[in-house]
Amino acid sequence: EVQLLESGGGLVQPGGSLRLSCAASGFTFSIYAMSWVRQAPGKGLEWVSAFSGSPGNTYYADSVKGRFTISRDNSKNTLFLQMNSLRAEDTAVYYCAKSTSNVVIPAAIQAWGQGTLVTVSS
Amino acid sequence: EIVLTQSPGTLSLSPGESATLSCRASERVSSTYLAWYQQKPGQVPRLLIYGASSRATGIPDRFSGSGSGTDFTLTISRLEPEDFAVYYCQQYGSSPLTFGGGTKVEIK
Repeated sequence: EVQLLESGGGLVQPGGSLRLSCAASGFTFSIYAMSWVRQAPGKGLEWVSAFSGSPGNTYYADSVKGRFTISRDNSKNTLFLQMNSLRAEDTAVYYCAKSTSNVVIPAAIQAWGQGTLVTVSS
Repeated sequence: EIVLTQSPGTLSLSPGESATLSCRASERVSSTYLAWYQQKPGQVPRLLIYGASSRATGIPDRFSGSGSGTDFTLTISRLEPEDFAVYYCQQYGSSPLTFGGGTKVEIK
């Protein structure tokens, strides 16, 4: 069974940084593309970033490009999202998500973690 | 960026009725790379349909997807109580991946 467990969320001031982690199990992590998708309170889904399986290409939404960095450690079955220069509009539940393929494009999202809440506020 | 517009915003129906949800893209979606997800309150999204019309594993056949190009439809025949939720479309044929704003299917 696919399991995705996010951690690292919390309260941070505007301009601050956070690093999210996603521990994956139940599948061969290294061969699947992985994404981060966020959902602001009471709002819809917004794709944030993705990392393909080997050789590993990265993709970002324009809203986070230059501020967020996605990475993965295949030896530890873990996906990361380093978030810098955080803004109030980054406040959301961040979901770790497994793609249906080793590529980001084209691939739908097959499985989701339970999410971790990031709150950016002073 | 491909913008997806879902309509209606809210659909009020009774159990047993059929639901028709629309997703319109601002430009052509490559090779029908369109998915539909269901999200119930307090739960994570669940993949229903990919490739515009293929049901994901374990999805009942009352859910069906159709469309191509810029116009896509999710049809739920014979609504069950557990089908009342928010539904999102997503295109995954070009970067950035984008979601529609969602359609809420509520009990009338």
